[in-house]
Amino acid sequence: GENVEQHPSTLSVQEGDSAVIKCTYSDSASNYFPWYKQELGKRPQLIIDIRSNVGEKKDQRIAVTLNKTAKHFSLHITETQPEDSAVYFCAAPEGYSSASKIIFGSGTRLSIRP
Amino acid sequence: EAQVTQNPRYLITVTGKKLTVTCSQNMNHEYMSWYRQDPGLGLRQIYYSMNVEVTDKGDVPEGYKVSRKEKRNFPLILESPSPNQTSLYFCASRGLAGIRSEQFFGPGTRLTVL
Repeated sequence: GENVEQHPSTLSVQEGDSAVIKCTYSDSASNYFPWYKQELGKRPQLIIDIRSNVGEKKDQRIAVTLNKTAKHFSLHITETQPEDSAVYFCAAPEGYSSASKIIFGSGTRLSIRP
Repeated sequence: EAQVTQNPRYLITVTGKKLTVTCSQNMNHEYMSWYRQDPGLGLRQIYYSMNVEVTDKGDVPEGYKVSRKEKRNFPLILESPSPNQTSLYFCASRGLAGIRSEQFFGPGTRLTVL
């Protein structure tokens, strides 16, 4: 089955600096890699995703990169702001079917220092 | 408004007293699942359902039951709760059309078993 590992578990950055969170996966058939943000006391919400046919995707200050050969993908947040403080989860499917189970990483708690 | 709802949001109970957490979605999604969230362990899938009357075990199904009699509802049943089931529970749903679709989470149910 799929195994998703996420690092680091906690990350503290100065406001305005960049933050990078990394994940590795084991199932070479995985073809979709979403990132979720969970603010304190709230539900996880999708912030960006990438499919296996592209290497990078950007949405304003957020970007995700994918290296299929190495089986790792990363979330990059530039010009961090206080509202970026949250727990971030990466995920990958177990297999390539649209019905495949989604396996989540263990999460990264990101803190932005003023 | 497209949403996933859960009830109750908070529940304190005692060991052995049967309880049900309800989950409902209004997006006509085929796929529904239950997760539990524990510190340092991320989101672990308990059970999932790909359509009415089709359910299957996730990674941590012991002590839980589910049913899917209607497409919109997916209740989680704890027949005899134990303290190790104290956790934050999320219901989620997504469609199965296309390669991948966004997974929507409910607001969460914080369960404490004494």
